[in-house]
Amino acid sequence: DPKIIQKPKYLVAVTGSEKILICEQYLGHNAMYWYRQSAKKPLEFMFSYSYQKLMDNQTASSRFQPQSSKKNHLDLQITALKPDDSATYFCASSHRLGGYEQYFGPGTRLTVL
Amino acid sequence: GEKVEQHESTLSVREGDSAVINCTYTDTASSYFPWYKQEAGKSLHFVIDIRSNVDRKQSQRLTVLLDKKAKRFSLHITATQPEDSAIYFCAASTGGNNKLTFGQGTVLSVIP
Repeated sequence: DPKIIQKPKYLVAVTGSEKILICEQYLGHNAMYWYRQSAKKPLEFMFSYSYQKLMDNQTASSRFQPQSSKKNHLDLQITALKPDDSATYFCASSHRLGGYEQYFGPGTRLTVL
Repeated sequence: GEKVEQHESTLSVREGDSAVINCTYTDTASSYFPWYKQEAGKSLHFVIDIRSNVDRKQSQRLTVLLDKKAKRFSLHITATQPEDSAIYFCAASTGGNNKLTFGQGTVLSVIP
């Protein structure tokens, strides 16, 4: 059974629209993260959460908003989508913050037209 | 902020030979260095890590070396197999918020 679920697997959106990427982990971890992988940049850290609290935000834009409704959920809302947002978004989790192995989900591949 | 550079963008080896991938980092506060493997169209899979309190760690055919003075770490794969073919990413973290800064990736091809 997959331990980290990301939905949807593929997502196509039009410029200016809003989408939510879903992430659920069943590893009993207390820290969760979002990363982005695009053709133009290497894997890029976006956010870290610990016990449902935002710990670090490295995105330059407020259009990216993480949402944690439950301890094992960390969704990512993206508003006013731009073609440059096209990327694969990976959710990850670890036992807790502080140099622990991070497990990555399968990713959501977002294409913005 | 931290920058991680992965020196080999591509690497081809013959099956059974060894492969070495080298990374350097800039932040002296970095203390945690994992390696990930990504097969085509798939997610990242953790392979091995090393912490700054040691300079060598081995797991079966994989060995990671860390040289803190040079701010360099490397992944050594012995007796390579075709299934080792993938993109390998090195990363570094100061450990505090567990933010991983990744290198650009090395495409390893193991030729049968």
